[in-house]
Amino acid sequence: GENVEQHPSTLSVQEGDSAVIKCTYSDSASNYFPWYKQELGKRPQLIIDIRSNVGEKKDQRIAVTLNKTAKHFSLHITETQPEDSAVYFCAARRGGSNYKLTFGKGTLLTVNP
Amino acid sequence: DVKVTQSSRYLVKRTGEKVFLECVQDMDHENMFWYRQDPGLGLRLIYFSYDVKMKEKGDIPEGYSVSREKKERFSLILESASTNQTSMYLCASRLAEGYTFGSGTRLTVV
Repeated sequence: GENVEQHPSTLSVQEGDSAVIKCTYSDSASNYFPWYKQELGKRPQLIIDIRSNVGEKKDQRIAVTLNKTAKHFSLHITETQPEDSAVYFCAARRGGSNYKLTFGKGTLLTVNP
Repeated sequence: DVKVTQSSRYLVKRTGEKVFLECVQDMDHENMFWYRQDPGLGLRLIYFSYDVKMKEKGDIPEGYSVSREKKERFSLILESASTNQTSMYLCASRLAEGYTFGSGTRLTVV
């Protein structure tokens, strides 16, 4: 089955700096890659996603890049703010899997004021 | 907004008890999922359902079963609760490409 590796497990940055979280996946048939943000005590929420026919997608301060050849994708957060502090999960899904997502183990991002 | 509601926020059960975790979504979504979340292990898929009475095992189904008698409700059953099933359980319903998660049930088995 699909395996998703996520790094780093913890990341601490100063407010205003950029943060990058990286994921690799094993199944070359995977074609959808979402990112979820989970604030302390709350449910995970979708923040951005990318499909395999696109190399990059941006939404204000967050962006996701995908390298299909290398089977890795990354989340980029620019001009970080304290409210960006949360656990971030990447995930991957292959076509025809009944929409089953396989998640990475998560990255705890701390943005220091 | 799609609402995914988990009936209990916190549960404490005894070893050997049969435990039911309930999840209800208010849209006509076909796909529903149960994950457990443990520190350092991320979200791991237990079971999922793609239609009424249709279910499929996820990555860690041992010790669990599910029921989907109606489209809006997906139940997770711990046949005989054990301490290693102490965890946060998250239900999700598919919204377009991504999921909408419930608030989670923190289950403690003593």
